[in-house]
Amino acid sequence: SAVISQKPSRDICQRGTSLTIQCQVDSQVTMMFWYRQQPGQSLTLIATANQGSEATYESGFVIDKFPISRPNLTFSTLTVSNMSPEDSSIYLCSVEDRGGTDTQYFGPGTRLTVL
Amino acid sequence: GENVEQHPSTLSVQEGDSAVIKCTYSDSASNYFPWYKQELGKGPQLIIDIRSNVGEKKDQRIAVTLNKTAKHFSLHITETQPEDSAVYFCATSEYGNKLVFGAGTILRVKS
Repeated sequence: SAVISQKPSRDICQRGTSLTIQCQVDSQVTMMFWYRQQPGQSLTLIATANQGSEATYESGFVIDKFPISRPNLTFSTLTVSNMSPEDSSIYLCSVEDRGGTDTQYFGPGTRLTVL
Repeated sequence: GENVEQHPSTLSVQEGDSAVIKCTYSDSASNYFPWYKQELGKGPQLIIDIRSNVGEKKDQRIAVTLNKTAKHFSLHITETQPEDSAVYFCATSEYGNKLVFGAGTILRVKS
């Protein structure tokens, strides 16, 4: 399975500011995903990021709030813009198995607290 | 869209006992069913998965069973150990589409 790292691992931010989360994979992957996990809750898909194309956002998530970059096959960023306390969550990136199956492997997550 | 229900929400077992977590899904087109374990402060870890052409899969103390007719699948952990304590999530997908997760089960193994 792929080895995935995220930066930062955690952060405390003031409302109204923005934070960019980085996701790095140790091998080239086609599909990368960004999820949000609110405190004590399950995982909700924010968007799918394919290299060379615009990210595809799920219902309830918009590009202005969560802009995503995917400059190459091993890296992606998610920005949480104009943050409010409701954005306090764990943000997780995942990658699809190189074999092109549905299997997804997750990074360690970024724990964000907005004051 | 797909809806995945997971039960129970919390489960406490004595060390050495078995634990069973069940999920039901709504979309008959779903054909991939993974289970993830999430420890505190970590990302979800894939522990076992099953595809629709298989009824059961086992990996040491962990097994998953799938009943496509009834649209439910279950995670079975035998001989539980304290390190099995975590949150477990089931998920489903239709090939090439997104994963939809259950609400999660907090498993506590008491020693």
